[in-house]
Amino acid sequence: DGGITQSPKYLFRKEGQNVTLSCEQNLNHDAMYWYRQDPGQGLRLIYYSQIVNDFQKGDIAEGYSVSREKKESFPLTVTSAQKNPTAFYLCASGETEAFFGQGTRLTVV
Amino acid sequence: ILNVEQSPQSLHVQEGDSTNFTCSFPSSNFYALHWYRWETAKSPEALFVMTLNGDEKKKGRISATLNTKEGYSYLYIKGSQPEDSATYLCAFLEYGNKLVFGAGTILRVKS
Repeated sequence: DGGITQSPKYLFRKEGQNVTLSCEQNLNHDAMYWYRQDPGQGLRLIYYSQIVNDFQKGDIAEGYSVSREKKESFPLTVTSAQKNPTAFYLCASGETEAFFGQGTRLTVV
Repeated sequence: ILNVEQSPQSLHVQEGDSTNFTCSFPSSNFYALHWYRWETAKSPEALFVMTLNGDEKKKGRISATLNTKEGYSYLYIKGSQPEDSATYLCAFLEYGNKLVFGAGTILRVKS
């Protein structure tokens, strides 16, 4: 089935550690996105990519990094520089409308 | 930072009531305006994608309008049902594929 897959669903990270969230799609989309949601807030754009080997910062890119080496994959690394990483992370892809993964809930312990 | 504003933040209505939400967005660099519905424990799903000024779209009891010149869109739900309870998100797509969401409107419909 075509879709967008995020893994893991839940992730626990110790303070000071980097962690990578996976996002894979088989919808043949060029555009991919990473969003963060905090309690009571909407989706805030972290990074987006229009095409392979290219990506742009969104509104809250500090403390995050991405890569886009393959069309299907857009992993997000939450670095130790991100001051408040505990949040719900959503990946999406699509040009005419966005299709979303199931999300990853990251908790810093 | 692109500003996409939604109002109200939340809404509680009775079954059968009609309701509407507002989304305001920049009037420059416009490519498309999206509306999504986000139910608890699910992923957001697209309701409408609108690209032309004056666009009106309808899906069952839900409809949307678009004014790109003044930078706003309305989402209407006629005869709300409990299953309409969800968060409704609008998103502004600018040229270059930057897709920015508003904070959403939470709708709760009581039976």
